[in-house]
Amino acid sequence: GAGVSQSPSNKVTEKGKDVELRCDPISGHTALYWYRQRLGQGLEFLIYFQGNSAPDKSGLPSDRFSAERTGESVSTLTIQRTQQEDSAVYLCASSLDRAGGYTFGSGTRLTVV
Amino acid sequence: AQSVSQHNHHVILSEAASLELGCNYSYGGTVNLFWYVQYPGQHLQLLLKYFSGDPLVKGIKGFEAEFIKSKFSFNLRKPSVQWSDTAEYFCAVNAGYQKVTFGIGTKLQVIP
Repeated sequence: GAGVSQSPSNKVTEKGKDVELRCDPISGHTALYWYRQRLGQGLEFLIYFQGNSAPDKSGLPSDRFSAERTGESVSTLTIQRTQQEDSAVYLCASSLDRAGGYTFGSGTRLTVV
Repeated sequence: AQSVSQHNHHVILSEAASLELGCNYSYGGTVNLFWYVQYPGQHLQLLLKYFSGDPLVKGIKGFEAEFIKSKFSFNLRKPSVQWSDTAEYFCAVNAGYQKVTFGIGTKLQVIP
């Protein structure tokens, strides 16, 4: 597609439930990031995929968070047993390579009630 | 590890005023530098980027940034701001092909 597509755009979930967020990067983009933006705060790095290399998971805040990417296509971010502090906008970005110049999706606004 | 500092968290300017947003990074080697903008209700967009060459980079909407290696800085400038420039601005660095690290962001409010 023309841009990075994220779904759903909004998700309200009950505390303790699992959620799955999806990111469709720009076709051909080898690099893919997940970031989190909590209300009033900056961007928080979560995970980085680059081609077929092992992902950089150093930003995942706990073992409740996981992400997968098949090749250079769709990525899913899964949050298990959601907590209220998980409420945030989850942003996905992709790029042709690791040198940057990322295109961001419009994000998924997650609200845990 | 690389890091990015944005010193101004909230800036309020009148229209036609000049803008300079500070950004400093910490990394001793080769860097790629970016400024992203997030307009109200919209997603992040790339404003401009520096990879190599001329340290004065021109971006969209009249923005520019200057890479000063000796100061580890990449400040964003615009000679005359408009109300439509009201947004949040993020500086980012990508050093040595590590992950891109973002600053905390600067909220710019332009008063008509």
